[in-house]
Amino acid sequence: DTAVSQTPKYLVTQMGNDKSIKCEQNLGHDTMYWYKQDSKKFLKIMFSYNNKELIINETVPNRFSPKSPDKAHLNLHINSLELGDSAVYFCASSQEVSGSNQPQHFGDGTRLSIL
Amino acid sequence: DQQVKQNSPSLSVQEGRISILNCDYTNSMFDYFLWYKKYPAEGPTFLISISSIKDKNEDGRFTVFLNKSAKHLSLHIVPSQPGDSAVYFCAASFESNYQLIWGAGTKLIIKP
Repeated sequence: DTAVSQTPKYLVTQMGNDKSIKCEQNLGHDTMYWYKQDSKKFLKIMFSYNNKELIINETVPNRFSPKSPDKAHLNLHINSLELGDSAVYFCASSQEVSGSNQPQHFGDGTRLSIL
Repeated sequence: DQQVKQNSPSLSVQEGRISILNCDYTNSMFDYFLWYKKYPAEGPTFLISISSIKDKNEDGRFTVFLNKSAKHLSLHIVPSQPGDSAVYFCAASFESNYQLIWGAGTKLIIKP
């Protein structure tokens, strides 16, 4: 059973297109995240949702819009794709417990390539 | 501004020996530090963590040491095994929001 699953695993598309990446977790966690791993391999937080509400929204272009239909899903929609959007995008989830830091569980990533 | 730094992009260690992975940070207000392991084409998986009020945490072959005065932590793996070959990420967070701030990773290669 995959705990955090992302689809698609690979996405190759043309500049200017609109695409979506889906993420689902079956761990019962309250919080979900989207990260971007750039060419220098840094993992940078993009968004975080807690119980379907946006709690972290880092400086990302407006072309990126997260959607959380329920707490088990956090999808990422990207409009007007640009060359610089080529990266690996990771979804993650965690359960916040006051007074302790619960680890985040990651999906296997979506490799987005813009032609 | 890089708050979490892993200055060694790669490290090669003989099987059976100790692997020591290092991480430095700049913000003394971090509450937790975590180590994640990542295989190619997979997401990072949690390995071990330490609270800022402790200086050591051990879990089987993995031990993390925290030196707050030096703003330095290290992950010790002993004995190193071939399956330990992966990229290791150091991350830090605050208790107020649990947002993880990541280092760039160190690729560990275990030689047979």
